[in-house]
Amino acid sequence: EVQLVESGGGLVEAGGSLRLACAVSGFSFSNAWMNWVRQAPGKGLEWVGRIESESDGGTTDYAAPVKGRFTISRDDSKNTLYLQMNSLRTEDTAVYYCTTLTNPPDSYYYFMDVWGKGTTVTVSS
Amino acid sequence: DIQMTQSPSSLSASVGDRVTITCRASQTIRSYLNWYQQKPGKAPKLLIYAASTLQSGVPSRFSGSGSGTDFTLTISSLQPEDFATYYCQQSYGSPFTFGPGTKVDIK
Repeated sequence: EVQLVESGGGLVEAGGSLRLACAVSGFSFSNAWMNWVRQAPGKGLEWVGRIESESDGGTTDYAAPVKGRFTISRDDSKNTLYLQMNSLRTEDTAVYYCTTLTNPPDSYYYFMDVWGKGTTVTVSS
Repeated sequence: DIQMTQSPSSLSASVGDRVTITCRASQTIRSYLNWYQQKPGKAPKLLIYAASTLQSGVPSRFSGSGSGTDFTLTISSLQPEDFATYYCQQSYGSPFTFGPGTKVDIK
């Protein structure tokens, strides 16, 4: 069974740091491109960033609100995706989801087909 | 950045109704458009990718159409389990922006 399980959420003061993890099972993580998406309380979905597979270069890309503060990394030996969050702000309060970023063979149509259940980050002032 | 809008922001419908949700991009995104369904307290679920391709396991009452800047998600006969919020999302360019969502609730 394909499964993504996030952990590491919690309460942190503004300016602090937190590292989220996403444990992956049921598919070849090393070949997967992965995303983080967040959802503030009562709000819509916001893409945070993505990381390519190491074989495709391991490139990362971030949304403007988190660029320079958040870092996505991966440990393929542990089948785990990470989101290091520094200089946290109250507006970073959200449920954070990790997702796969998949495209069919010979296609550039990327979509988020597998999602974890999310982990909640609360940043207090 | 590519901005995504959805209309309506919410709608009330009855079981068996045909429901249509519209998504518009601020510039052409060809067919790089995905639709997700989210129920309260749950993670989103992929319904449709590449504007019109049904994800495996998704009921055939869901369909998507459109290209360029205008897209539609249609539920042909609304079922009780379809009451949820629906989001469109473009994957044409970074950042991968989502629409604000359309909440479908019971009339």
